[in-house]
Amino acid sequence: AQSVSQHNHHVILSEAASLELGCNYSYGGTVNLFWYVQYPGQHLQLLLKYFSGDPLVKGIKGFEAEFIKSKFSFNLRKPSVQWSDTAEYFCAVNTISGNTPLVFGKGTRLSVIA
Amino acid sequence: DGGITQSPKYLFRKEGQNVTLSCEQNLNHDAMYWYRQDPGQGLRLIYYSQIVNDFQKGDIAEGYSVSREKKESFPLTVTSAQKNPTAFYLCASSHGAGGTNEKLFFGSGTQLSVL
Repeated sequence: AQSVSQHNHHVILSEAASLELGCNYSYGGTVNLFWYVQYPGQHLQLLLKYFSGDPLVKGIKGFEAEFIKSKFSFNLRKPSVQWSDTAEYFCAVNTISGNTPLVFGKGTRLSVIA
Repeated sequence: DGGITQSPKYLFRKEGQNVTLSCEQNLNHDAMYWYRQDPGQGLRLIYYSQIVNDFQKGDIAEGYSVSREKKESFPLTVTSAQKNPTAFYLCASSHGAGGTNEKLFFGSGTQLSVL
């Protein structure tokens, strides 16, 4: 069974700082990779996803993530965070070889301070 | 508006009581899911259903039960056998289960607490 590890439980950044949230997965086969975000008081929503092709994917609100197959990683990045990026971020994976639901990481809480 | 509706928003359970959480979607999605969210634990899959009248256990199904009698509805019952039910419960749906169809749409959640 696949699993997802998010290395940082809570990250605190000042506005305009650069962000990188780590995500590693364990599965030997082909995977689909996702980042979801949960803003305070709002529904979980999809930030970006990787299925195939260019390993650098761009999502909403200036976020991007890079799939590095050799490292089993899918780290989330943003060059300059804003206070409105304060949220909890979840990395998720599923396999394409069979109908498997998404497996989520434990999440990383991002707090952006002015 | 299309989406997923969970009710109630807050629910309190007494010891030994079964409670049912409602989840309805009007997105015409085939697959529906129940996740449990605990602080620092992320989302853990309880049950999921890919088609009507069929469902599968997730990673933490013990103490829970579900039904899928209609495509748009996937209620979750938290039984008295669930010894630690206090959590935030999220319902989600997707066009299909697995593969490239797996963008999930989430409801607003139900916070369950034990009295």
